[in-house]
Amino acid sequence: AQKVTQAQTEISVVEKEDVTLDCVYETRDTTYYLFWYKQPPSGELVFLIRRNSFDEQNEISGRYSWNFQKSTSSFNFTITASQVVDSAVYFCALQGLPRDDKIIFGKGTRLHILP
Amino acid sequence: DVKVTQSSRYLVKRTGEKVFLECVQDMDHENMFWYRQDPGLGLRLIYFSYDVKMKEKGDIPEGYSVSREKKERFSLILESASTNQTSMYLCASNLKSTDTQYFGPGTRLTVL
Repeated sequence: AQKVTQAQTEISVVEKEDVTLDCVYETRDTTYYLFWYKQPPSGELVFLIRRNSFDEQNEISGRYSWNFQKSTSSFNFTITASQVVDSAVYFCALQGLPRDDKIIFGKGTRLHILP
Repeated sequence: DVKVTQSSRYLVKRTGEKVFLECVQDMDHENMFWYRQDPGLGLRLIYFSYDVKMKEKGDIPEGYSVSREKKERFSLILESASTNQTSMYLCASNLKSTDTQYFGPGTRLTVL
């Protein structure tokens, strides 16, 4: 069975602090994709990143970075020097390949950045 | 630029009404998806379609049906709306099953 766990339901940090959102997944597939999406108050899910299971390199994009560790089945997301505009719900997701079109989403972490 | 649109941002309906939620994508994507999002439950897949006139049940299809008469349009139908279908409904699409899904802005449906 596939599962994505985001243990942090809600996090609040003060602006400019760094914050890490945790994501742990379960899958029996050897090939899979992991995703992070952002959902701002407007409601639309915004795609942030997709990572192939064969690529364990960490990725950095501006203030965002992702740490993928197969050994612990984790795909954590860090925001450096957080800003108020980062306030949103963040979803981690998993897609097993090649048999399945479906993406399994975690329940999301609501992030509040306080000014 | 990727574009998925949904016909309404907010919708209020009464119990027993037939409700249509429309989703349109202009990227010539093969696959389209309907999810509902509820607090504490995340996103759950209702139905998806991988081609015109094709549909597959997702994890929670009960009480819903779908229609895909044209490639760009995927409709979610609530035959007889009930209060437990009050939710945020999100449409998504991708070109192939291995591609990233892109989402529309969502429709917040309230059933009274």
